[in-house]
This record gives sequence, structure tokens and C-alpha cells, in this order.
Amino acid sequence: AQRVTQPEKLLSVFKGAPVELKCNYSYSGSPELFWYVQYSRQRLQLLLRHISRESIKGFTADLNKGETSFHLKKPFAQEEDSAMYYCAPYKFNSGGSNYKLTFGKGTLLTVNP
Amino acid sequence: DAMVIQNPRYQVTQFGKPVTLSCSQTLNHNVMYWYQQKSSQAPKLLFHYYDKDFNNEADTPDNFQSRRPNTSFCFLDIRSPGLGDAAMYLCATRVEWANEKLFFGSGTQLSVL
Repeated sequence: AQRVTQPEKLLSVFKGAPVELKCNYSYSGSPELFWYVQYSRQRLQLLLRHISRESIKGFTADLNKGETSFHLKKPFAQEEDSAMYYCAPYKFNSGGSNYKLTFGKGTLLTVNP
Repeated sequence: DAMVIQNPRYQVTQFGKPVTLSCSQTLNHNVMYWYQQKSSQAPKLLFHYYDKDFNNEADTPDNFQSRRPNTSFCFLDIRSPGLGDAAMYLCATRVEWANEKLFFGSGTQLSVL
């Protein structure tokens, strides 16, 4: 079955500490992978995408095909990073006509002062 | 300015009473998605439209229907809501040539009494 796994439902760190949110995938072919974030009382929004290899708000994520992982990392966590983070594979819908985005179960990150 | 607008923000219905949730967009995106998000769970894709082409997920119950009368509007109809349908319903849009970024609405929280 094609899926992503976010093994940690909750993750709590202190401000200034490094943070890593794990995501492992089991997809045939090469999925496109993204991280979406939902801050408290805000809309779900795109954080970053693996194809652009960018850093957003200090976060980076590298696609490791050998380990089939796409972990989200930040060297120094800030309180405003507290949010729900979803690893999201984006794959062509072979039975239909379009790409579709699905979500892992999410990790709730809490950054304590 | 909100680009994907969902109304109402909160909807209460009775068990078995049909209910319609609405989504409108000012982005002129040709792809629209409906997700169901239950408490503490990841958003689950119900269906999506590629222009007028409707794509249903295999595990979406028949109780859920959708209409897209034009580019700007998309409706989610629940024909006979059950208690298990209480959830946040999220609408999202995407433009055809930008495969990765979805724009989400703020959602409609549905309660079933």
C-alpha cells in the first residue's frame, strides 16, 4: 500500500533546541512530497516542498530515497513553530485525471519557552 | 483577503437531515478538493473536481455528494448525516499548472445532533 508514516503524534521541545519531525513513505515510483502546517486557528498551508530544496522559516527537509524518508528539521526551534505538521505525498491519480494530495496523520509540535 | 471562502464557519444539523456546505474561490483555480478532518486526525480526501470532471475517492460514502456549478463555487452535500459525519470539512483549490500548492479555506465545522 502506498502511504506515509509520521511515527510521532506529539513532539515537545524547548525553545532553541533542534527539532526533527519524521516522515517515512512507502510509495512506488518517486512521489512528490510536501510538508503542510496548521497553526492554531489558522488554515492549513504549504510549508515546503522537496523539489525546491528551499528553507522556509528555518525549516528544511531532504528527500532520502535510500531511507524513504522526508524528515522536517530546524536547528533552533522557536515558540511560534508550535503547530500541527503534516507530511503530504502528492501523486498522480492514475485512476483519474489529476494529482491529489493526501496527508500523514500529523505531528503536533509544541515548543516550550 | 480570503481567497478560498467556506460558509458557514459552523454548521449544526440534525441526524438524517440533509445539509449543504459551500466553498467559493476568487483565485479562478480549476481544481477544487473536499477533505474531511475529524478530531485529532489528518484530513481525508473525499473527492475533487478537475474543471467539471468529478473524481470520487473509492472509500467516500455514497452519502456524500458534490456539485460544482461553475469555476468559483463547489458544494458538499451530505444526504443523511450521521453522528459519525461530525467533522471539519475543508475545501482547497489548486491551479492546474502549479501541481504542488493547495490553497485551503478555513473550514466548516459540522455538528450532528
